[in-house]
Amino acid sequence: DGGITQSPKYLFRKEGQNVTLSCEQNLNHDAMYWYRQDPGQGLRLIYYSQIVNDFQKGDIAEGYSVSREKKESFPLTVTSAQKNPTAFYLCASREERGYTFGSGTRLTVV
Amino acid sequence: DAKTTQPNSMESNEEEPVHLPCNHSTISGTDYIHWYRQLPSQGPEYVIHGLTSNVNNRMASLAIAEDRKSSTLILHRATLRDAAVYYCILIQGATGTASKLTFGTGTRLQVTL
Repeated sequence: DGGITQSPKYLFRKEGQNVTLSCEQNLNHDAMYWYRQDPGQGLRLIYYSQIVNDFQKGDIAEGYSVSREKKESFPLTVTSAQKNPTAFYLCASREERGYTFGSGTRLTVV
Repeated sequence: DAKTTQPNSMESNEEEPVHLPCNHSTISGTDYIHWYRQLPSQGPEYVIHGLTSNVNNRMASLAIAEDRKSSTLILHRATLRDAAVYYCILIQGATGTASKLTFGTGTRLQVTL
């Protein structure tokens, strides 16, 4: 079945470390997105990519970086510059009907 | 980006219909109305979408006002498994225009026995 795979499901990071969240899709979608969700809040857009080798900042890009070297992959790096990285991270891709989301990665800073 | 407005929360009894409203007064002619729902600790899942006409699928129905400035998601018989946060969002119809998508806080639906 086609879909979006996010890994890991849970991730713990020490302060000062960079971590990379994986997002892979086999849906052949051009557009991919990263969102952050805090408890009781809606989704906030971090970065999005409309095509390979191209991406744009969303509303809260500071402290994050992405790459889009392959159509299937859109990894998100949470850098040490992100002051409050503990959150639920969601990856999505877009099709004509709408968006497909992954199951999320819960990142906790310890 | 066109915005949507939803109530923060709603309650329903099990086996009864639920009508979840959404206002989108600044909708443009090419915007589709989409509904997603999110269960705890999961990613949002697609529920239904429409442009002008009412839509039905196995999950729900979507009623769209004639002026398209509001819509209502209808769950015909709520079950405990329908307890989730429901998001109403507007998406431009052109597939090639992958504009950034904005989610609000949605409506938290509670279903009780």
